Amino acid sequence: GEDVEQSLFLSVREGDSSVINCTYTDSSSTYLYWYKQEPGAGLQLLTYIFSNMDMKQDQRLTVLLNKKDKHLSLRIADTQTGDSAIYFCAEIGEDSSASKIIFGSGTRLSIRP
Amino acid sequence: DGGITQSPKYLFRKEGQNVTLSCEQNLNHDAMYWYRQDPGQGLRLIYYSQIVNDFQKGDIAEGYSVSREKKESFPLTVTSAQKNPTAFYLCASAKEAYHNEKLFFGSGTQLSVL
Repeated sequence: GEDVEQSLFLSVREGDSSVINCTYTDSSSTYLYWYKQEPGAGLQLLTYIFSNMDMKQDQRLTVLLNKKDKHLSLRIADTQTGDSAIYFCAEIGEDSSASKIIFGSGTRLSIRP
Repeated sequence: DGGITQSPKYLFRKEGQNVTLSCEQNLNHDAMYWYRQDPGQGLRLIYYSQIVNDFQKGDIAEGYSVSREKKESFPLTVTSAQKNPTAFYLCASAKEAYHNEKLFFGSGTQLSVL
């Protein structure tokens, strides 16, 4: 079946940029998502990118998509303590049914002072 | 304020017991979903419902049951047949099941076995 992979942990210094990476296998992916989960809470959609885009920027967030390598990244500029969370990459295929969303295992971002 | 409410926040199950997790939404969304989250793993779909009085099995439905008698409510029962129920359970909803509708998540229920 299709798969989404992420590294489990990332530690960055406060004020630096964080880059969270994700690879996926579904060649028919149409949308790719980044969700944020704070401790003991549900997931919150941060941003998403359509598969015909290379980049999307939204304030401190920049999403880069390399469709050839099936690689997605999320860059958080000027990382703050409030950015500490688990970040999930997810993708959906051609039929765009939410029941078919595949989530990665999440990357836990921790911030060093 | 519109949103999804899950209750309880923490739940303990004794061996052989069935327990029910509540999920209510006031967003007027058609589609609702239940996910299971284990540490270091992605979310896995248990059951979903695209419309009232209809639901489908997800990837890991064994040992679980659901009902969708009202649009706002999608309770999940963890039965005694589920031998490893300890996990964080997340309910989500979407306006429609298709067309890249954004998923809205509840704050989750942590289920543990006594």
